[in-house]
Amino acid sequence: GAGVSQTPSNKVTEKGKYVELRCDPISGHTALYWYRQSLGQGPEFLIYFQGTGAADDSGLPNDRFFAVRPEGSVSTLKIQRTERGDSAVYLCASSLRNSRGYEQFFGPGTRLTVL
Amino acid sequence: AQTVTQSQPEMSVQEAETVTLSCTYDTSESDYYLFWYKQPPSRQMILVIRQEAYKQQNATENRFSVNFQKAAKSFSLKISDSQLGDAAMYFCAYRSTQGGSEKLVFGKGTKLTVNP
Repeated sequence: GAGVSQTPSNKVTEKGKYVELRCDPISGHTALYWYRQSLGQGPEFLIYFQGTGAADDSGLPNDRFFAVRPEGSVSTLKIQRTERGDSAVYLCASSLRNSRGYEQFFGPGTRLTVL
Repeated sequence: AQTVTQSQPEMSVQEAETVTLSCTYDTSESDYYLFWYKQPPSRQMILVIRQEAYKQQNATENRFSVNFQKAAKSFSLKISDSQLGDAAMYFCAYRSTQGGSEKLVFGKGTKLTVNP
């Protein structure tokens, strides 16, 4: 595909359940980012991958949140023991690190609702 | 830590008119990037315009231009000849060039309404 894709588009789960959110970056983009956007707020940084490794995970709110990118392409954001406060839109972005200004291209997001 | 403030939760403009969205930021760094992103109801963030802090010249992209005041830490977006398709949430964002951090720091956004 031409852009960043995220699946599922929407996810409804119950409090305490485990969820996985997937991000397919633009082909060839080495950098991948996860952000969380709560209602009425701007996106907040969660984690940044350069290749397979997490270069900056300072935005992960607690140890219930974990993300992987095992082959340097697709990434999965994993949330354990979900809480109602985790409800938000989770945005993924990718960039070609050497591009001028390191423009980040965003996907359409996954809307997570925790009941 | 850097912060970005957008003091206008909502703005409206008549079609074909000009509107300016405000953004201020706080940083101790001298080199950084600033961005304006547009987020329509589809949720997908779209880059509108970017500014490199070391460049004094204000960036322009067709109907979109910025007024970058580095000393005042101000970065406003001007939309000329507003179109109905410009209606969206607009987010100002900051990115550091130091420490290897690639993250964007966003403001809370401004909802722009374009009236026909």
